[in-house]
Amino acid sequence: NAGVTQTPKFQVLKTGQSMTLQCAQDMNHNSMYWYRQDPGMGLRLIYYSASEGTTDKGEVPNGYNVSRLNKREFSLRLESAAPSQTSVYFCASSERASGAGHFGPGTRLTVT
Amino acid sequence: EDKVVQSPLSLVVHEGDTVTLNCSYEVTNFRSLLWYKQEKKAPTFLFMLTSSGIEKKSGRLSSILDKKELSSILNITATQTGDSAIYLCAVPPGTASKLTFGTGTRLQVTL
Repeated sequence: NAGVTQTPKFQVLKTGQSMTLQCAQDMNHNSMYWYRQDPGMGLRLIYYSASEGTTDKGEVPNGYNVSRLNKREFSLRLESAAPSQTSVYFCASSERASGAGHFGPGTRLTVT
Repeated sequence: EDKVVQSPLSLVVHEGDTVTLNCSYEVTNFRSLLWYKQEKKAPTFLFMLTSSGIEKKSGRLSSILDKKELSSILNITATQTGDSAIYLCAVPPGTASKLTFGTGTRLQVTL
């Protein structure tokens, strides 16, 4: 039982490049979330998926897109990376919406 | 706008001290408040407090919810260096299926 897994762990992009962050959970959770964490800003919600087949914007969705591929997987795409997107990205899941989240190990992204 | 505010922002204590971390919230239709501990990597869940469960305890950590004051405290007694971490408070706002996090309290426990 791996919990929540994320790939990659680290990534460096040039401005304008695109990439997809992958997230998978094996706990049969309904809800999945993408957060970014910046110094002094805490965790900010980018997008979430309350259940399979639905996605909604969070607090800071601009510049990102998501796909809830199935119940297990929730990916985050940066279409044209910008230096302001340099951050640590966490995926999380919970059995029910707004429940206690299980977090993945994070992806440290640097955009130069 | 829903808000979660934590204080202090950071704290340095000596091993063995007792600390109290604060979290205040302004959300519509309060349902629950969650505490997390974040060491080097991902946050890990500590407690969830609700209207029917306003006090939780686990070892040296305990938490109380004060619905009248719209706040919660996290107490850590006999602190150890392993308690050094960022402590995060989160609340689901309204009927939304998500969590709003505070900015966290960075606790450092020194020898």
